Amino acid sequence: DGGITQSPKYLFRKEGQNVTLSCEQNLNHDAMYWYRQDPGQGLRLIYYSQIVNDFQKGDIAEGYSVSREKKESFPLTVTSAQKNPTAFYLCASRSLAGGLTDTQYFGPGTRLTVL
Amino acid sequence: EDQVTQSPEALRLQEGESSSLNCSYTVSGLRGLFWYRQDPGKGPEFLFTLYSAGEEKEKERLKATLTKKESFLHITAPKPEDSATYLCAVRARAGGTSYGKLTFGQGTILTVHP
Repeated sequence: DGGITQSPKYLFRKEGQNVTLSCEQNLNHDAMYWYRQDPGQGLRLIYYSQIVNDFQKGDIAEGYSVSREKKESFPLTVTSAQKNPTAFYLCASRSLAGGLTDTQYFGPGTRLTVL
Repeated sequence: EDQVTQSPEALRLQEGESSSLNCSYTVSGLRGLFWYRQDPGKGPEFLFTLYSAGEEKEKERLKATLTKKESFLHITAPKPEDSATYLCAVRARAGGTSYGKLTFGQGTILTVHP
């Protein structure tokens, strides 16, 4: 089945720890995105990447880091510098093949809780 | 700055009671308006993309329409399984440093009672 997978589904972190959230896609999509979702707020963009070995900061990149070493994978690290990391994290991907079909598709999400 | 506002924040309907959800937007050149459905604890599921004013798309009991300032998601004769949060997002035309970025509204929580 083609799709986007995120792991783990639930993640607990102690204060001061770095944690890495996994995102993998087998849709052959070029672009990948990380969003954060908090209750009562819209999704906010953390980082995005349109090509391997290149990525750009989104609106709330502070305290986060990413890498894009393979087209299929876009892991997100939540560092100890992120002041309020408890949230639902969503990964998305999109084809850049052109035309009007440019929908972002989302993974199932990872819920991160800081203890 | 692109902005998206959805209303109402929450909507309760009886099964079979048709209604509409609103998505008002301001964007510097609309590249596309997207509707998603999100169930609790899950990722958003794509529903529709609309590109130009006057465009309409349908899927089962859902119909999305678009004007130059807002989009409506009409729900006809809803069923309990239509209960979810419905998200609206816009993408501006390419340019600047945020190509492909979606700006989301806060969502409308729909509850359909049997």
